[in-house]
Amino acid sequence: DADVTQTPRNRITKTGKRIMLECSQTKGHDRMYWYRQDPGLGLRLIYYSFDVKDINKGEISDGYSVSRQAQAKFSLSLESAIPNQTALYFCATSDLGPSGGVTGEQFFGPGTRLTVL
Amino acid sequence: LAKTTQPISMDSYEGQEVNITCSHNNIATNDYITWYQQFPSQGPRFIIQGYKTKVTNEVASLFIPADRKSSTLSLPRVSLSDTAVYYCLVADSNSGYSTLTFGKGTMLLVSP
Repeated sequence: DADVTQTPRNRITKTGKRIMLECSQTKGHDRMYWYRQDPGLGLRLIYYSFDVKDINKGEISDGYSVSRQAQAKFSLSLESAIPNQTALYFCATSDLGPSGGVTGEQFFGPGTRLTVL
Repeated sequence: LAKTTQPISMDSYEGQEVNITCSHNNIATNDYITWYQQFPSQGPRFIIQGYKTKVTNEVASLFIPADRKSSTLSLPRVSLSDTAVYYCLVADSNSGYSTLTFGKGTMLLVSP
């Protein structure tokens, strides 16, 4: 079984709909992340969580919200989806970095391809 | 936000050594530089991580100068299966305890 799973893998929705993307991990990591990937723009951080009680905005949090339900689960919501949120979304987990910094090795899920019409 | 700059693309042939350089400003004192590889429709995968000088593992080497404002990923004797996008990742010290910033990636194409 994969260490980081994402559901759904593909989703097509309409403008204005509420969408939730779910992420689960079996790595036992405290740190979890949500990224979006658009062609030519690399990966951009949406939100991150360093433990169950900690939620932090990333580079592009507007239009998104998250919920850390448990150590193993981190959900991303689009309250009212719009077409420019069409993208590939990745969840990731990590442990602490080598010196306690944020750049611990990240383990990524397979991605969710979201299309907003 | 910290800026990372990588070449958009590189071409190589099987068996050659490939060096990809990433420039990064304002790297946090305690943070490391990490490189990832990504194949189409897959999540990125960790390649190597370092703080300074040189790090080597079974797949790559990482060279980091003393000022840590850049890093070079070295792939020895590439094969067709090394065709992928390569990202360098650093933390952004300007945003406090960090906004993780991936570079836009370097598309490496390895030809026969």
